[in-house]
Amino acid sequence: ELKVEQNPLFLSMQEGKNYTIYCNYSTTSDRLYWYRQDPGKSLESLFVLLSNGAVKQEGRLMASLDTKARLSTLHITAAVHDLSATYFCAVDSTGGFKTIFGAGTRLFVKA
Amino acid sequence: EPEVTQTPSHQVTQMGQEVILRCVPISNHLYFYWYRQILGQKVEFLVSFYNNEISEKSEIFDDQFSVERPDGSNFTLKIRSTKLEDSAMYFCASSVEQLNTEAFFGQGTRLTVV
Repeated sequence: ELKVEQNPLFLSMQEGKNYTIYCNYSTTSDRLYWYRQDPGKSLESLFVLLSNGAVKQEGRLMASLDTKARLSTLHITAAVHDLSATYFCAVDSTGGFKTIFGAGTRLFVKA
Repeated sequence: EPEVTQTPSHQVTQMGQEVILRCVPISNHLYFYWYRQILGQKVEFLVSFYNNEISEKSEIFDDQFSVERPDGSNFTLKIRSTKLEDSAMYFCASSVEQLNTEAFFGQGTRLTVV
């Protein structure tokens, strides 16, 4: 059964600092997603990672995927307060009709 | 910009009652999903739907749940006899294809069972 683990679950950081969120998954998959959720809001797609070694960047966020290690990272560069949110990674099961989410990382960036 | 719309935004129902949550996916999308999120917890997959049938469902999606695409635009989730533990935010999502694309999520319906 596919399991997705994120760490840390809670992250408080100062503006301007860098940090990495990790996402591990338990079975083979070639599709991994990162979503952002603001409190009381829906899920906003950030990245779709489809192959080993995939790296995508948008602003201060960069995501990568290592399918051999079953690991994805979301790196935050020079954090700003507006990045405060919960970040979820999600992985498709083999066959792709079922997406399993990690528990989420609640990020708080202090001004 | 096209978006997934869900109605109602908030539904309060008595335990044992039936509820229907409604979703209008993005018009050219073919794959539809329901997820739920209990307050402060992770997002849980319920069911995926393609070509007018369920593609996959989770263990949460028991006989009390059903989905339907009644008219080619709406996608509904019915809970036949609600329980207190069904209280959650329910998200509908759709994607244009199964592979290589992310799902777009609606704003959610907050279901409160009292």
